[in-house]
Amino acid sequence: NAGVTQTPKFQVLKTGQSMTLQCAQDMNHNSMYWYRQDPGMGLRLIYYSASEGTTDKGEVPNGYNVSRLNKREFSLRLESAAPSQTSVYFCASSQRTSGVHSTDTQYFGPGTRLTVL
Amino acid sequence: AQSVTQLGSHVSVSEGALVLLRCNYSSSVPPYLFWYVQYPNQGLQLLLKYTSAATLVKGINGFEAEFKKSETSFHLTKPSAHMSDAAEYFCAVSVNSGATNKLIFGTGTLLAVQP
Repeated sequence: NAGVTQTPKFQVLKTGQSMTLQCAQDMNHNSMYWYRQDPGMGLRLIYYSASEGTTDKGEVPNGYNVSRLNKREFSLRLESAAPSQTSVYFCASSQRTSGVHSTDTQYFGPGTRLTVL
Repeated sequence: AQSVTQLGSHVSVSEGALVLLRCNYSSSVPPYLFWYVQYPNQGLQLLLKYTSAATLVKGINGFEAEFKKSETSFHLTKPSAHMSDAAEYFCAVSVNSGATNKLIFGTGTLLAVQP
């Protein structure tokens, strides 16, 4: 049981290049998320997918697109990379639980460190 | 809108001393609150979560947090710091978004433990 996996671990791009970050989870979770982490700003939500076949914008969606390929996989695409997209990107997944005192817990992957020159 | 504020971007303690990391929340509805830990070059790991079942929540690695509605706080504590506790800690509040819950994170507190 690997949990949430992300590829690649590191990537360097030139301004204007495109790339896709891959994320997969093996916990049979319905929901998946993409965050970016920047120094002093915590984690900010880029896009999320509540269930297979749906995607929604988060706090900072500009410059990104996503695809929920199936229940396991959720990819993040940068069509034309900019230096402002230099960041560490995290994927997470969760499953809504039932009960009065329950809530989703998000499980995170190890991250992709992206540098745009 | 729901949000969390972490006071102190850097906290330094001596090994064996009390750890206190502060988190205040803003929410118009009863909140679900989380503490996550991030070790260097790793992803985030759940320490503990508050879901209204009990105001004092115990987590992994000896950490606990107390929900205080009157103070809108959810501070993280550990009685005795270990060198292995050096990491960045994030407080987060859950926002209901239909079929799922989104997390709003604080800006993080970097904990250093001195020998």
